[in-house]
Amino acid sequence: TQLLEQSPQFLSIQEGENLTVYCNSSSVFSSLQWYRQEPGEGPVLLVTVVTGGEVKKLKRLTFQFGDARKDSSLHITAAQTGDTGLYLCARRRTSYGKLTFGQGTILTVHP
Amino acid sequence: EAGVAQSPRYKIIEKRQSVAFWCNPISGHATLYWYQQILGQGPKLLIQFQNNGVVDDSQLPKDRFSAERLKGVDSTLKIQPAKLEDSAVYLCASSLSVLQGARGGTGELFFGEGSRLTVL
Repeated sequence: TQLLEQSPQFLSIQEGENLTVYCNSSSVFSSLQWYRQEPGEGPVLLVTVVTGGEVKKLKRLTFQFGDARKDSSLHITAAQTGDTGLYLCARRRTSYGKLTFGQGTILTVHP
Repeated sequence: EAGVAQSPRYKIIEKRQSVAFWCNPISGHATLYWYQQILGQGPKLLIQFQNNGVVDDSQLPKDRFSAERLKGVDSTLKIQPAKLEDSAVYLCASSLSVLQGARGGTGELFFGEGSRLTVL
């Protein structure tokens, strides 16, 4: 059973394009994290969001937490080849709960 | 600061053989996790330790998988006997205790590079 649904599963775009990746669940999150994973490496944290409606920016990346705390999105502006990787959302249902990952979105940015 | 260390990086075994993976977390991190990541999927939590106690092992196939963290520092994950479907990357991660993370910390997990297992 997939508790976190990420879409799209695959995304292939040209350098300079914009893109949005979505993360959805039927249950409320205590907090949600976005990680990025490159081939042969472990995931690396990009951001943590905890407040409904929260928006955080990290250079060209914008993260949004839904008002109802059941969904989140990651928007990348003017994608670069270095953005290529697997983007994972992960949620805790309670402050002390385990961290559960979605299945990920594989992003390929072509030069 | 040294990161999470894992070994071996790669292991190829035949089905029904056994294998062990080792992980040394970041110094001072009380919480240690083992995740299984099958190709093309997100990591799945196998077991979570807080110091040397198990917090969650609900998704650990206990008939063949075992893990220990005897002194609350490094940890070993064992598979015996291995099956074809165990082929995956086994990721170890560590964090400050979940309690500390809940008190204003980010609850960030720091991952090692993983151990890639191929079962033939």
